[in-house]
This record gives sequence, C-alpha cells and structure tokens, in this order.
Amino acid sequence: GAGVSQSPRYKVAKRGQDVALRCDPISGHVSLFWYQQALGQGPEFLTYFQNEAQLDKSGLPSDRFFAERPEGSVSTLKIQRTQQEDSAVYLCASSLVPGQGADNEQFFGPGTRLTVL
Amino acid sequence: SQKIEQNSEALNIQEGKTATLTCNYTNYSPAYLQWYRQDPGRGPVFLLLIRENEKEKRKERLKVTFDTTLKQSLFHITASQPADSATYLCALDGDYKLSFGAGTTVTVRA
Repeated sequence: GAGVSQSPRYKVAKRGQDVALRCDPISGHVSLFWYQQALGQGPEFLTYFQNEAQLDKSGLPSDRFFAERPEGSVSTLKIQRTQQEDSAVYLCASSLVPGQGADNEQFFGPGTRLTVL
Repeated sequence: SQKIEQNSEALNIQEGKTATLTCNYTNYSPAYLQWYRQDPGRGPVFLLLIRENEKEKRKERLKVTFDTTLKQSLFHITASQPADSATYLCALDGDYKLSFGAGTTVTVRA
C-alpha cells in the first residue's frame, strides 16, 4: 500500500514493561512525526525527524520516551517502564517536504492503541 | 497560554443541511491553518489548508474561512451526507509545529 503503516495496531502492556511501536512512512517522505492522542482529544506533538535527524523532541513527555529513525525511513517509538498514563493512541505521520509547520500536508497512519494495565 | 478551541458540543444535523464548525485560537499567530477529518480507529486525513492572506477556500462541498483578526476559522460542510459523519480537527502553526484542537464530532442523520 502507498500509505503510512503502523504496527502493532493494538498493544497491551503491564505497567513497567518496555514497548516499541513501529512506523513505516510513505516512501520518499522526508519528514516524520510522532503524536500522542488521548481519548476525546486532538493529537499532541511528540517528536519530529527530517530524514534520520531528530530535529525536535520537545513534546516527549519524559525520558522514558525515545524515538529513532536510523536510516531515514522506518521509525520506532520506544517507551520504557510504561505507566498507566502512557495509555493512548500513538500516531505517526509523514510529509514529503521538510518542516514542521502547517504549510505541509501530513499523511497519518492508523495509529497504535497502547493500553497499560 | 496558547489555546485552540473547537465546538465543545457534538453536532447533529439532518442530511442536506449545512454543518458549520468553529475553530478559535488564542496566543497563536498562524501563517496557515489546516482541517483534518478523523474516523473512529483511524488517523486524521487532510482536507484543506488555508493561508493567513486567504479569506476563504473551497473544495467540493467544503468551505473554510480564516479571520486572523477574530482569530477564528469556520469550516462548512454543505449539502451534508451521512458519509460526512466523523470528527473534524483544526490544526495550526504553534511554536514551529502543528498544534491540533480537540475536534468536533459531526453526525449527519439520513
């Protein structure tokens, strides 16, 4: 498919476990974003990559959250020692051109719903 | 503090009517504003982008206005259809990144 894909679609973790969420952006897209979406809320920015460089990680809520995009394509969001407040949908988006602003259309994946028990 | 506020109540309308959604913002000076549609269990889908120097933009049955003086965007769905039922999100430039409102859920009754 030509869209953004994410895996797994659903993840249940026990509190304290580490999780890894994967994002496959649209081929050739330079920009990659991770967002966290709580129930009934809009997506909240977590981090931004331009190719393999993580240019903005200001939205990561704690040092338990880590993201990488080592070859400038696939990205992984890792959450260590998960807590109940980490339960949310994690969305990945990609964009053809560089930049984080609202002048670029972002293509979103379906998200990974994380539930921490 | 910065805020993006969308209609707090869900919108229920009859098929064929026009749905009007509001997006108000404070302490932002966006150069662009976007509207997305999100269906349950899916990621947002881009609909329209409007620039600060554009008063209005249309795409098929959708119309967006952007008033930087009022700090408001209006999103209209004309001749609404049940397939238009979804949550609609506005998003704008905030601190060099896209900031989203909480969304307004629209239900169109046949």
